[in-house]
Amino acid sequence: QKEVEQNSGPLSVPEGAIASLNCTYSDRVSQSFFWYRQYSGKSPELIMSIYSNGDKEDGRFTAQLNKASQYVSLLIRDSQPSDSATYLCAVISNFGNEKLTFGTGTRLTIIP
Amino acid sequence: DAGVTQSPTHLIKTRGQHVTLRCSPISGHKSVSWYQQVLGQGPQFIFQYYEKEERGRGNFPDRFSARQFPNYSSELNVNALLLGDSALYLCASRLDTYNEQFFGPGTRLTVL
Repeated sequence: QKEVEQNSGPLSVPEGAIASLNCTYSDRVSQSFFWYRQYSGKSPELIMSIYSNGDKEDGRFTAQLNKASQYVSLLIRDSQPSDSATYLCAVISNFGNEKLTFGTGTRLTIIP
Repeated sequence: DAGVTQSPTHLIKTRGQHVTLRCSPISGHKSVSWYQQVLGQGPQFIFQYYEKEERGRGNFPDRFSARQFPNYSSELNVNALLLGDSALYLCASRLDTYNEQFFGPGTRLTVL
């Protein structure tokens, strides 16, 4: 079992719709969870971090965390063509251990 | 504020050669981590340094080494290059009281 798993996609969503990206992780003691956006040929860009169960909203982005189910998701509302990218889920297992463990990423395409 | 900077941006080497990649963290950040990203995969953790000390090492051979300098900049060295070392090498910096890591633009290494 991979440490961090994502639906690989590709995921296609019409412009203006909600894009839903999912991630599961295997290490129950994981404490910190991140979503990075990576455009083709570029480096990952941090868009959301979440540490507690529940929802965290930032503009059009909402991260959701359920530690009991070992599940974290990212919702993108009012999707725009500029949201087309690969989204990487990353996990840190313990405070003090800064190693980010990444999933393979979900490629998202927003259709105008 | 300037973000994480890396040099060079692109590099072409032949098998068996040595390479040195450089990284300067965001001003005020004392922690630097290195990651390798091959095409179609998420970044893989190589090293973490904090206050010039190695704090973590990923599952990479001894051909890979790194160090951090008093000004918190860092170098990643790879000896005896193999074709499989071709990848995007990413440097990430972190403010010591938070877990969020911010990536530089990366160095694209091609080994022929």
